[in-house]
Amino acid sequence: AQSVTQPDIHITVSEGASLELRCNYSYGATPYLFWYVQSPGQGLQLLLKYFSGDTLVQGIKGFEAEFKRSQSSFNLRKPSVHWSDAAEYFCAVGAVSFQKLVFGTGTRLLVSP
Amino acid sequence: DAMVIQNPRYQVTQFGKPVTLSCSQTLNHNVMYWYQQKSSQAPKLLFHYYDKDFNNEADTPDNFQSRRPNTSFCFLDIRSPGLGDAAMYLCATSRVGGRDGYTFGSGTRLTVV
Repeated sequence: AQSVTQPDIHITVSEGASLELRCNYSYGATPYLFWYVQSPGQGLQLLLKYFSGDTLVQGIKGFEAEFKRSQSSFNLRKPSVHWSDAAEYFCAVGAVSFQKLVFGTGTRLLVSP
Repeated sequence: DAMVIQNPRYQVTQFGKPVTLSCSQTLNHNVMYWYQQKSSQAPKLLFHYYDKDFNNEADTPDNFQSRRPNTSFCFLDIRSPGLGDAAMYLCATSRVGGRDGYTFGSGTRLTVV
């Protein structure tokens, strides 16, 4: 079965600074990988996804993520964080043959002025 | 815009009183999911429908049931809510295979009193 680890529960970044959120997955075959963002009291919004091809994927709101098979990682990055980026970020892995996504426990991003 | 709509946004129910949460979609996706998300935790899959084919997670309590009368609608029934069932309930949809990711509704926040 697939699993996801997000080692950072909270991260605080100054506005304008760069951001990297870590995600490690466990799955024996080619995974589908996703990053979602959740604002307080809201549903989840898809930021970006990877399932094949170029290992650097671009998403919405200026986010990107890089798939590294050798490290089983799919880290999310943004070069310059805005105060509106403060939210909870979830990494998720889906198996090619299954329907369901498995989510990590999330990383809460705080943006300081 | 095509979307996933959950009603109500907030639901207060009494301990032991049956409650139904609803989800509708205009995306015409084959697959619909119900997730439970407790405070500061990852969303946890309860069950999903692949068209009319119901798939229950092994650890979903019997207290939780679901109905999908047609492609557009899906309901979550909690037969006898306990205090531990207070959570955000998220409905999501996807195409078959899920490689485009899920589209989530805004969620229903359930409070049990």
